[in-house]
Amino acid sequence: GQQVMQIPQYQHVQEGEDFTTYCNSSTTLSNIQWYKQRPGGHPVFLIQLVKSGEVKKQKRLTFQFGEAKKNSSLHITATQTTDVGTYFCAGQLGAGGTSYGKLTFGQGTILTVHP
Amino acid sequence: NAGVTQTPKFRILKIGQSMTLQCAQDMNHNYMYWYRQDPGMGLKLIYYSVGAGITDKGEVPNGYNVSRSTTEDFPLRLELAAPSQTSVYFCASSYLLGQFFGPGTRLTVL
Repeated sequence: GQQVMQIPQYQHVQEGEDFTTYCNSSTTLSNIQWYKQRPGGHPVFLIQLVKSGEVKKQKRLTFQFGEAKKNSSLHITATQTTDVGTYFCAGQLGAGGTSYGKLTFGQGTILTVHP
Repeated sequence: NAGVTQTPKFRILKIGQSMTLQCAQDMNHNYMYWYRQDPGMGLKLIYYSVGAGITDKGEVPNGYNVSRSTTEDFPLRLELAAPSQTSVYFCASSYLLGQFFGPGTRLTVL
């Protein structure tokens, strides 16, 4: 079945340093989504990437979707303590009508930010 | 809007007991999902539904059952609880963009 691998599993940074997490799928994706889960909380949707080579920015967060639509990355510039949490990528195989919005989640990257 | 709500927040079960995890959404979303989250393992899809009366298995359905009699509600039933079902359970719903998650139910089976 489809697999989505995410690295690294853990990342410890000093406040102000940059952070990147990478996501790779075993199959070509229709789209990839990113979620953030604060400690003790629930996943919260951040963004969806659909097009090959797409790059989107949200303030200090930059999301990329690979040309082959099999890999993605999330980069945070100048981390802050509020960035602490687990970041998940989630891949969707077919378009909404065929995959029913089902996602395959990566294992997540746990980000710790030291002040 | 309350979004996606789940009850209970916490539950301890004995081996062999049964329970129902409740999930409701007030966003009129057709698609709903149940996940379990184990430490370091991401989220695994248990069951999903594309509308009232329509459900299907996800990646890890064994030991669980679901029903969807209304658009709003999507309960998850655990029969004969086992220690392997100790986990955090999340319900989610979606329409066009992204999935909206409930606060989760932390279940321990002893």
